[in-house]
Amino acid sequence: EAQVTQNPRYLITVTGKKLTVTCSQNMNHEYMSWYRQDPGLGLRQIYYSMNVEVTDKGDVPEGYKVSRKEKRNFPLILESPSPNQTSLYFCASSLAPTGAYGYTFGSGTRLTVV
Amino acid sequence: LAKTTQPISMDSYEGQEVNITCSHNNIATNDYITWYQQFPSQGPRFIIQGYKTKVTNEVASLFIPADRKSSTLSLPRVSLSDTAVYYCLVGDIRGTGTASKLTFGTGTRLQVTL
Repeated sequence: EAQVTQNPRYLITVTGKKLTVTCSQNMNHEYMSWYRQDPGLGLRQIYYSMNVEVTDKGDVPEGYKVSRKEKRNFPLILESPSPNQTSLYFCASSLAPTGAYGYTFGSGTRLTVV
Repeated sequence: LAKTTQPISMDSYEGQEVNITCSHNNIATNDYITWYQQFPSQGPRFIIQGYKTKVTNEVASLFIPADRKSSTLSLPRVSLSDTAVYYCLVGDIRGTGTASKLTFGTGTRLQVTL
């Protein structure tokens, strides 16, 4: 089944403790992206990647890092999480970099930073 | 990127046709219109995409007038399971080498009741 898999689904952590949210897709998509969703703010893009070793900032990149060493994986790294990064996170991938044929989203990761 | 405006919420009864209109007055020549559906705590799901006139698939129809300054997502005979948030996105999907920062906004919350 074609899908984007995120792990973990739920995560509670403490301020300052480094964490990684994994994202993997099995569709051989070149384009991958991370979003966060907060009440009243919709989905906001954090980082995106056009292909292996090619990443760029989205609209809200502060406090996040990403890497794209393999085509299928695009982990989101929070080096020193803070409570304002408590949010629902989604990873997405697309056949075309600009969304032609649509993005496929993962099921989400609900992160709580205390 | 073209800015989009959608109603914040809509209500419908089961079995009715629902039309959600999105305004995008500054849409560019190469921009396409894409709609997504999102259920609570799930990632958005691609519904339909179009450039002009009418596009229909097994889920919905998309109507785009000649001036392309707006578009209407039409959901025939909605059921309770169509209760979700619907997002209208506008952007260039041709894949010219620049990744799209498609902006989801806050969408339209559709509530379907018996």
